[in-house]
Amino acid sequence: KQEVTQIPAALSVPEGENLVLNCSFTDSAIYNLQWFRQDPGKGLTSLLLIQSSQREQTSGRLNASLDKSSGRSTLYIAASQPGDSATYLCAALRGGADGLTFGKGTHLIIQP
Amino acid sequence: GAGVSQSPRYKVAKRGQDVALRCDPISGHVSLFWYQQALGQGPEFLTYFQNEAQLDKSGLPSDRFFAERPEGSVSTLKIQRTQQEDSAVYLCASSSNSAGLAEAFFGQGTRLTVV
Repeated sequence: KQEVTQIPAALSVPEGENLVLNCSFTDSAIYNLQWFRQDPGKGLTSLLLIQSSQREQTSGRLNASLDKSSGRSTLYIAASQPGDSATYLCAALRGGADGLTFGKGTHLIIQP
Repeated sequence: GAGVSQSPRYKVAKRGQDVALRCDPISGHVSLFWYQQALGQGPEFLTYFQNEAQLDKSGLPSDRFFAERPEGSVSTLKIQRTQQEDSAVYLCASSSNSAGLAEAFFGQGTRLTVV
């Protein structure tokens, strides 16, 4: 059974810092990996999707990498802003009907 | 609509009551998923539909949980005889790929509180 772990569970940094969120998964036979953002009381907003054949994806200040063989993905946030404060979730997809397997998330606070 | 829509946003049920949660996916999306998110946890898979066919219901926690998508569009998750442990946020997601392999788009969720 796929297990997804996110480290750290919580992170608080001053505005402007670059930061890295880590995600690891136990079963490397994934189809893709998605990073999501969740604001309090809200649903999930998709940030980046990396197909298993890709190494990284970029969107604005966000960059996500994938190393399938080692079972790891990282989300890099450049020049963090208070508006980046949220919980960040990574999720691995093994097969469509299985749905996504999520980590517990990293709760991020960017201090103004 | 432009996104996945869920209703109600909030539901308070007395223990033992039946509830029905609705999901309206993005128009034309073939795949639909339901997830359950407990407080402080990541979402956990409940069930998957491809059009009207329920292809996987392995994540449903008990036979009190039932989901349907009769016309391959709107889906309803029903919970019978609710228990306190059913309190959670229920999320619906849809995907354009018929095998559920494309990017998943989530609704705002329904927060169920059983008292």
